[in-house]
This record gives sequence, structure tokens and C-alpha cells, in this order.
Amino acid sequence: SQTIHQWPATLVQPVGSPLSLECTVEGTSNPNLYWYRQAAGRGLQLLFYSVGIGQISSEVPQNLSASRPQDRQFILSSKKLLLSDSGFYLCARSFAGSYEQYFGPGTRLTVT
Amino acid sequence: RKEVEQDPGPFNVPEGATVAFNCTYSNSASQSFFWYRQDCRKEPKLLMSVYSSGNEDGRFTAQLNRASQYISLLIRDSKLSDSATYLCVVNDYKLSFGAGTTVTVRA
Repeated sequence: SQTIHQWPATLVQPVGSPLSLECTVEGTSNPNLYWYRQAAGRGLQLLFYSVGIGQISSEVPQNLSASRPQDRQFILSSKKLLLSDSGFYLCARSFAGSYEQYFGPGTRLTVT
Repeated sequence: RKEVEQDPGPFNVPEGATVAFNCTYSNSASQSFFWYRQDCRKEPKLLMSVYSSGNEDGRFTAQLNRASQYISLLIRDSKLSDSATYLCVVNDYKLSFGAGTTVTVRA
């Protein structure tokens, strides 16, 4: 199984509250992992990617951060949410050397 | 200029029809391309990878025109289940996603 799990599935948070979204991957070792955000009517925006434990690259400077404490776990966090953080957050994986990415079911975040 | 541009549609077609749409990209050095399908409020799913001039998978055909920097997707014999948003994705050291083309197949 190459399943990607994300939770929670939906989340409603007030402005200024913290955030923690989790992504776990089954059945594969040392995957490349990615966090994307999709705003309504827009393309996916790459936020972070990781090629290994503790290795995080940020694509867009903002109030979000990511961590990879275990090989198959990728976490997206924020200390204080903004209204503009609302969107559909997707975790994806790929194998080293492959550009094909496979997505988890996503977390729909609404910041109120 | 956006890295990847798509006609948002919607393309409304009857069952059994053929529908085709394009995606243009700005980086001439891009090496690989993908089409993803995304259903409403769901995650994108990989439909097809394109590494050379094109690819065909059943009713779906992707063609790449490097000279004009566009990639097309053609769907033959459209089914109701083909209704979705189709995302064009271009690899230029990272994946750049288009905003998608919506296709609605009607009975």
C-alpha cells in the first residue's frame, strides 16, 4: 500500500490560533514529501518539500512552517493563523528520482 | 506571465463526444509534463505522464508541442464520469500546476 493519510479532514479555526496538520505515508521508505495549498479557483501552490528526516525546503515565505520528525511523517504548522491561510492543504509524496507525485485526501481549512 | 496557463472552461460536451483543451507553459527547458484529474473537493489524481512527444492511455491522448510550448489533452468517447477539472502540471525543477480546465459531460 502506498496510502497517504491526512488529518484532520476539515478544520475551522479562528484568526490568531495555532495550526497543526499531519500527513503520514504507508508502504514506502524515504519518500520525498510535499505540502501544497490550493485556494479556491487557483492552482496548487507548493509550500514545503522534504527529501528526508529533518530536511525541509520552503518555497514561499509566510507564517507557516513544516517539520519531518520521522521518515513517513510530515507536519505543517502555524503559530498564528491568518484569514489568507484558508484553503485546501494537500500532502503529496514521490519516490526519489521520480517527478510523479501522489496526493493524500487533503485537509480543508477555514480561518474565521 | 504565469508558468502554466489553462483555459478554465467549462467545456460542456455530450456523452460520446470528443473534447480537447490545451495548456501553455513558459519555461522552454521543462522536461516532463503531467495531467491530473481533480473531482470537486477531492485531491488531484495522476491521469497521465508525458516525457516525450505524447502519450496515449485508452480514451485519453496527451500531445506535447515543444516548439510552441503547449501540451494538449484529448478525451474521446466522453463518459459522464469524465466530468472533472483537469490540471496541467509542468516540471521545471519543481512541479508547477495550472489552475485547471473544467469539463462537464452531459447525458
